[in-house]
Amino acid sequence: EVQLVESGGGVVQPGGSLRLSCAASGFTFDDYAMHWVRQAPGKGLEWVSLISGDGGSTYYADSVKGRFTISRDNSKNSLYLQMNSLRTEDTALYYCAKDDNYGDFNLWGQGTLVTVSS
Amino acid sequence: DIQMTQSPSSLSASVGDRVTITCQASQDISNYLNWYQQKPGKAPKLLIYDASNLETGVPSRFSGSGSGTDFTFTISSLQPEDIATYYCQQYDNLRITFGQGTRLEIK
Repeated sequence: EVQLVESGGGVVQPGGSLRLSCAASGFTFDDYAMHWVRQAPGKGLEWVSLISGDGGSTYYADSVKGRFTISRDNSKNSLYLQMNSLRTEDTALYYCAKDDNYGDFNLWGQGTLVTVSS
Repeated sequence: DIQMTQSPSSLSASVGDRVTITCQASQDISNYLNWYQQKPGKAPKLLIYDASNLETGVPSRFSGSGSGTDFTFTISSLQPEDIATYYCQQYDNLRITFGQGTRLEIK
């Protein structure tokens, strides 16, 4: 089955760290760029980060640059997001998404919830 | 970054109505514009890619048009299952932004 499954969300204090994972199955993982997109409670979608298929190129939204690191392990068909120096405004449902062709997100996971609160 | 202005923010229509949502980019994005549907509690779903191409399996009542800075998304005959929030999304120069979303309700 073609799917993405996120994990690793939870409750963390401001200034803390968390590592999200996204397990991919049913497609040739390293053929595709991957993204993280987040959605704060009751709000719209916000793109977070992009990584190329070979992992050699990464890009970030200004709101997370310098705090978040995207990575992937193609041998494990897995995508990651290391989140450091977390802020309350990072509270959101984090989705991983497959980039079918230049920004077309044609496969999404179910999301993992990150709550930053003291 | 490119800003996407989507309107209206909410919309109420009757079953069978033609529904139109617009999205304006702050600069020319050619046809790098996609449309997504998000139902409550679910992940977004790609409906239209590259401004006017229907994603596989998406009903033909959905369509998109436009290029440059002005784009339109249309549902030709609204169905009850179309109740959702719709987002435009641009992809330019490796930076991605979404519109604010349009919440569609049945009248």
